Amino acid sequence: GESVGLHLPTLSVQEGDNSIINCAYSNSASDYFIWYKQESGKGPQFIIDIRSNMDKRQGQRVTVLLNKTVKHLSLQIAATQPGDSAVYFCAEIDNYGQNFVFGPGTRLSVLP
Amino acid sequence: KAGVTQTPRYLIKTRGQQVTLSCSPISGHRSVSWYQQTPGQGLQFLFEYFSETQRNKGNFPGRFSGRQFSNSRSEMNVSTLELGDSALYLCASSFGTSSSAAPTQYFGPGTRLLVL
Repeated sequence: GESVGLHLPTLSVQEGDNSIINCAYSNSASDYFIWYKQESGKGPQFIIDIRSNMDKRQGQRVTVLLNKTVKHLSLQIAATQPGDSAVYFCAEIDNYGQNFVFGPGTRLSVLP
Repeated sequence: KAGVTQTPRYLIKTRGQQVTLSCSPISGHRSVSWYQQTPGQGLQFLFEYFSETQRNKGNFPGRFSGRQFSNSRSEMNVSTLELGDSALYLCASSFGTSSSAAPTQYFGPGTRLLVL
């Protein structure tokens, strides 16, 4: 499949290790945040979301942390698997659900 | 519930031609957004339609246009194609309101456009 981006920051982790992908957002008034996963040749797929009134939310093997003080978002993936290899995007959305701003993406590469 | 569908999946055009891409949102979603994705540029917002009206617009030339129908299906059109228009065009749908429903956008698989 085609590559999503040729000059993305890349994070390489060993299979079974935990991964942490970081994202800085720009708008302190953003109310809602989403992490997407995009595999080669596919559209972005929703992973997990978090509202601005929370600082942590857990899903299956994934945890999102929100630090509004420094406008920072992170995605933690536990026990990273080869199928987790993809580009990960964060998105911030205003409280009207209208303006989506996507980060540049991080390529996660899982080493066997 | 069926996901977002886009047609066609792949398209090859030549410079100067025009192209129309189609997107069917998730049932119940009234907002459809279009994005252009190219290597090195990431996801760039084109425009968003809600209830048949363009509600938001990105910084693209007027050659890029769109519309939304009463059933929320949307089309985007690119006229006078240029080589630089080669990209993956993604459509995303959401409820698009400030209700308690999560404003999450769900993406389709995209249309890969190649301009020769």
